[in-house]
Amino acid sequence: DAGVIQSPRHEVTEMGQEVTLRCKPISGHDYLFWYRQTMMRGLELLIYFNNNVPIDDSGMPEDRFSAKMPNASFSTLKIQPSEPRDSAVYFCASSLLLAGALTDTQYFGPGTRLTVL
Amino acid sequence: AQTVTQSQPEMSVQEAETVTLSCTYDTSESNYYLFWYKQPPSRQMILVIRQEAYKQQNATENRFSVNFQKAAKSFSLKISDSQLGDTAMYFCAFMTDQGGSEKLVFGKGTKLTVNP
Repeated sequence: DAGVIQSPRHEVTEMGQEVTLRCKPISGHDYLFWYRQTMMRGLELLIYFNNNVPIDDSGMPEDRFSAKMPNASFSTLKIQPSEPRDSAVYFCASSLLLAGALTDTQYFGPGTRLTVL
Repeated sequence: AQTVTQSQPEMSVQEAETVTLSCTYDTSESNYYLFWYKQPPSRQMILVIRQEAYKQQNATENRFSVNFQKAAKSFSLKISDSQLGDTAMYFCAFMTDQGGSEKLVFGKGTKLTVNP
């Protein structure tokens, strides 16, 4: 399996611009997660989906952030307008909750390093 | 809310030696899951080991093992026969078993350097 795929790997943009990060989960996985990693706050869960439906978006910092999952193989995280404090590494992860299991392991993508100037 | 604390921001060890990374957590729940993830310089987050709280036996994966002390809410990671490739950030993480939540809560991480 190719694992979780994220694009782009690096993004540099100017304040005020729209940024779109993309994620392809592992085929067959039914959960998808977006995390943000910064030196100050560590790894934070932003939002997660189950079967393409957003379950918990309480970690989304503000209305400038939005996430969609139009189908089981694709998700986007959009920041509009972007600000310098959004600079971070954004990870996408996916997992599969097997029938009868209580949880399963999350597998992470390589991350997107976002720099907002 | 659950919290995860890693009290050692940085550690170093000589190649082939053993090192233990500490992790404590706070929860009022009786069943949950604990994980150790490794993040090498490539930034990839890689699962090292996981432990279900209802299991008394400590999890082991090759050179990696945990010391899970449920009463003390402690979940340390032992790396035996350390290798240069073990150099990475190590994150301890907690997941509740309540309400079908799949949320992982991470500690701040411990930077481990393996010296030749």
